[in-house]
Amino acid sequence: AQTVTQSQPEMSVQEAETVTLSCTYDTSESDYYLFWYKQPPSRQMILVIRQEAYKQQNATENRFSVNFQKAAKSFSLKISDSQLGDAAMYFCAYRSSLITQGGSEKLVFGKGTKLTVNP
Amino acid sequence: KAGVTQTPRYLIKTRGQQVTLSCSPISGHRSVSWYQQTPGQGLQFLFEYFSETQRNKGNFPGRFSGRQFSNSRSEMNVSTLELGDSALYLCASSLVLGANVLTFGAGSRLTVL
Repeated sequence: AQTVTQSQPEMSVQEAETVTLSCTYDTSESDYYLFWYKQPPSRQMILVIRQEAYKQQNATENRFSVNFQKAAKSFSLKISDSQLGDAAMYFCAYRSSLITQGGSEKLVFGKGTKLTVNP
Repeated sequence: KAGVTQTPRYLIKTRGQQVTLSCSPISGHRSVSWYQQTPGQGLQFLFEYFSETQRNKGNFPGRFSGRQFSNSRSEMNVSTLELGDSALYLCASSLVLGANVLTFGAGSRLTVL
């Protein structure tokens, strides 16, 4: 079974600074997808960024970017120019290819990292 | 466009009771999945439905069940509630299988006393 590990339970960053959240995963599969979700106090999970394992290029979404190291099974999230609204729980998630999971979109989540943004 | 709607948002039950939670996916979305979120166990997959069929089920006891209706709305039921069932239950929907993007609702917060 796949596992996702987020080794930083809590992180803090100053407003306008850059912060990197770590995520490692364990899998024997070669085709899969990785995601970062954000959960603010409102509780609604919001997709931040996604990465297909077959793509070597790191995904980028505005101030959010990832460092995907497939061989090392590492998938870190970098938040640039941090804003107060970035404060939330961040979850790293893994999804097998649909073929492997028989069509299922089941996500395996890490335990999360609580990000605090200081003004 | 309305998002994923979960009802009720909050509820309190006592041990031994049963509870039914509802999830209305985004219009046109046919896949619905459920997750349980607790401080201790984190986010755990409960089950997933597509076109009224259960596609996958997580490692939860038989007290947890669900179903999906022809309009894609889904319900999950927990019978004989235990204190450990206290959690945030999240529902997510996607347009079709393989869409890669799950859109989550705000969840139903269940407290079991």
